[in-house]
Amino acid sequence: DADVTQTPRNRITKTGKRIMLECSQTKGHDRMYWYRQDPGLGLRLIYYSFDVKDINKGEISDGYSVSRQAQAKFSLSLESAIPNQTALYFCATSDPRQGASNEAFFGQGTRLTVV
Amino acid sequence: QQPVQSPQAVILREGEDAVINCSSSKALYSVHWYRQKHGEAPVFLMILLKGGEQKGHEKISASFNEKKQQSSLYLTASQLSYSGTYFCGTETFGNEKLTFGTGTRLTIIP
Repeated sequence: DADVTQTPRNRITKTGKRIMLECSQTKGHDRMYWYRQDPGLGLRLIYYSFDVKDINKGEISDGYSVSRQAQAKFSLSLESAIPNQTALYFCATSDPRQGASNEAFFGQGTRLTVV
Repeated sequence: QQPVQSPQAVILREGEDAVINCSSSKALYSVHWYRQKHGEAPVFLMILLKGGEQKGHEKISASFNEKKQQSSLYLTASQLSYSGTYFCGTETFGNEKLTFGTGTRLTIIP
């Protein structure tokens, strides 16, 4: 089983619908991140959380919200989806206390299409 | 603010060398390098924590110039397996969120 699991892997939704992307991890990491990937724009940070009670906006948080339900779970919501939110979304975890580096471990991604 | 990577894309013949650059306008605490194969998640290559530090991973190495807030990734004698998109990720002093660059697409041809 993957250490960082994203669900769903693919989703097509209509404009205006609410959608939730979920991320769960078995690595015991405190830090979790949500990124979106668009061609030519790289990975852009949406939200991040350094522990259960800590939620921070990233560079492109408008139109998104998150919930850190537990150390292992970090969900991303689009309250009212719009077509320019069509992208590949990645969840990642890290923990500088584990090992010599704060390397990030990524989920397999969620491809979201808003029509 | 995202770090800036250059070049955006590069095509090499197998065995040639490549350099990918990453620069930031902020004082960096660390620089990470990741590789993403098509249709897959990014995978960690290495992290650099100190000014002037160099690290190596197989025939892939990197340097970090703390004064210039720049890092470079060196790929020598490139192999077909090196193809993919390379991302630098940065953490700054006072805020350790991991911010990634725009990516460099590397294509190796036989």
